Amino acid sequence: NAGVTQTPKFRILKIGQSMTLQCTQDMNHNYMYWYRQDPGMGLKLIYYSVGAGITDKGEVPNGYNVSRSTTEDFPLRLELAAPSQTSVYFCASSSQSSYNSPLHFGNGTRLTVT
Amino acid sequence: GENVEQHPSTLSVQEGDSAVIKCTYSDSASNYFPWYKQELGKRPQLIIDIRSNVGEKKDQRIAVTLNKTAKHFSLHITETQPEDSAVYFCAAPNAGGTSYGKLTFGQGTILTVHP
Repeated sequence: NAGVTQTPKFRILKIGQSMTLQCTQDMNHNYMYWYRQDPGMGLKLIYYSVGAGITDKGEVPNGYNVSRSTTEDFPLRLELAAPSQTSVYFCASSSQSSYNSPLHFGNGTRLTVT
Repeated sequence: GENVEQHPSTLSVQEGDSAVIKCTYSDSASNYFPWYKQELGKRPQLIIDIRSNVGEKKDQRIAVTLNKTAKHFSLHITETQPEDSAVYFCAAPNAGGTSYGKLTFGQGTILTVHP
């Protein structure tokens, strides 16, 4: 049982490039989330999904897109990368809404945009 | 939406001392309050949580207290050890609107326990 797996661990992008952060979980959780963590700023919700085929915006969705074609996978797409997107990105999942059950986080992806 | 304020931002204690971190929240309808610990370079992990039908919950050296009237909750760590050094985050759910149920996190507290 690997839990939540994120790839890559590190990535450097040039301004204007695009990339996809991969996230997969093997716990059969319906709920999945993407957070970004900036120094001293806690965790901000980017997008979330309550099940396959359903996604919704979180607190800071601009510049990002997601899809949820299967229960296991929840990739995060960055189009036209900007320096403001330099951050650590965490994917998480939960068996129920985060209102009722704990979040299981992946190990994170450290992204630098220069 | 929910607004969560966490204090202090940094906390330094001697091994064996107690540490207390406090969070305030804005939405009186919120009823679930988790605490996450994040060691350097690692993922956040849930260490304890409390629901609004209780005022206190303990798990060995860790306890969380909740004051619904004042809308604040606190993490208490007793007999601190160097391995308690980490960043601690509190969180509270949005109780209404389009972000219903989603957690809002505090800014984090960097706890350093000196041997």
